[in-house]
Amino acid sequence: GQNIDQPTEMTATEGAIVQINCTYQTSGFNGLFWYQQHAGEAPTFLSYNVLDGLEEKGRFSSFLSRSKGYSYLLLKELQMKDSASYLCAVRAATNDYKLSFGAGTTVTVRA
Amino acid sequence: KAGVTQTPRYLIKTRGQQVTLSCSPISGHRSVSWYQQTPGQGLQFLFEYFSETQRNKGNFPGRFSGRQFSNSRSEMNVSTLELGDSALYLCASSSEWAHEQYFGPGTRLTVT
Repeated sequence: GQNIDQPTEMTATEGAIVQINCTYQTSGFNGLFWYQQHAGEAPTFLSYNVLDGLEEKGRFSSFLSRSKGYSYLLLKELQMKDSASYLCAVRAATNDYKLSFGAGTTVTVRA
Repeated sequence: KAGVTQTPRYLIKTRGQQVTLSCSPISGHRSVSWYQQTPGQGLQFLFEYFSETQRNKGNFPGRFSGRQFSNSRSEMNVSTLELGDSALYLCASSSEWAHEQYFGPGTRLTVT
């Protein structure tokens, strides 16, 4: 089975940095994804990691350690529009697109 | 390029009825996945289709079924609806050469 854990809620101040951790135990591993979901909207793709290390994309960065079953999403220079749910998802197999999602972390950015 | 579209966007059904939801993927995408999202369970994988074949299936009862057509459009069907089937049903499409999935806006199903 798949077990993906991430904190339920986080609060941060506008302009600050927030790090959302994700730990996973899956039967296979072929990539870890981060998605952003605003209330009432569909998830949108943020990042993809399949090798260990840091991937940077503007204000957002994602890190992966496969040996530790661990990833984090780093949000820098927080803006009010970053208030959303952030979903960690793992793709276990190589020949399909089944994603197993964590429950999501709700980030609230305060002025 | 147009995004993933889903119809209908909202649906109210009664227990025992059946429902069919439709998803049109991004042009050129041959993989379509379906997910159920509820506040209690989060996003859960239903099934994935690629070139009209079901490649993977999640842990849902047989009342949930799907299919994909030659133009990659996909439908999912839920028979004998239960109150617990009330959820947001999301479909996502992928290119076989890319990693990310692109989600549609979802169909919000309410079973009364």
